[in-house]
Amino acid sequence: DGGITQSPKYLFRKEGQNVTLSCEQNLNHDAMYWYRQDPGQGLRLIYYSQIVNDFQKGDIAEGYSVSREKKESFPLTVTSAQKNPTAFYLCASSFDREVWNQPQHFGDGTRLSIL
Amino acid sequence: GQQVMQIPQYQHVQEGEDFTTYCNSSTTLSNIQWYKQRPGGHPVFLIQLVKSGEVKKQKRLTFQFGEAKKNSSLHITATQTTDVGTYFCAAYSGAGSYQLTFGKGTKLSVIP
Repeated sequence: DGGITQSPKYLFRKEGQNVTLSCEQNLNHDAMYWYRQDPGQGLRLIYYSQIVNDFQKGDIAEGYSVSREKKESFPLTVTSAQKNPTAFYLCASSFDREVWNQPQHFGDGTRLSIL
Repeated sequence: GQQVMQIPQYQHVQEGEDFTTYCNSSTTLSNIQWYKQRPGGHPVFLIQLVKSGEVKKQKRLTFQFGEAKKNSSLHITATQTTDVGTYFCAAYSGAGSYQLTFGKGTKLSVIP
């Protein structure tokens, strides 16, 4: 089955630690996205990538970093600079080749908590 | 940046009652998308509206896009317990933009 796989499902971070959230898709989608979801806040865009080796900051990129070395993969690193990382992180993708207003497909998410 | 305002934030209904959530923007939208997120789950795409005044139906769900393309609504007729979840509207920031802006969502609870 085609889809988006996020791992791990639950993650705990210690103070001063960087952690990396995995996102893999086999939908052959060009664009990939990372969102953060807090209760009552909806989804806020952290980073997005339209093509391999290129990515753009979203509304809340501070304290996060990404890479896009392969079309299928878009890992998110939550750095120690992110002081309030506890949230639900969602990865999404869309088929964006020359058509920008595509629906987005989401993974099951990763819940990150501070120890 | 572009904002989409969604109301109400919460809605509790008796099973069988109707439900409506509204999405508003101060700027003209090129399109609007609706997603549903079940408790503990991830958002799932429901529909996209593009044309001014467009109305689309999916069984008991009716989606509308305003004539001025600045507002949209989702109406559920005769709610069921399976309708429980949070409904989000979302819009791209503009032609050629890859940034999708989500409303804060309306959380629907259905009392059996």
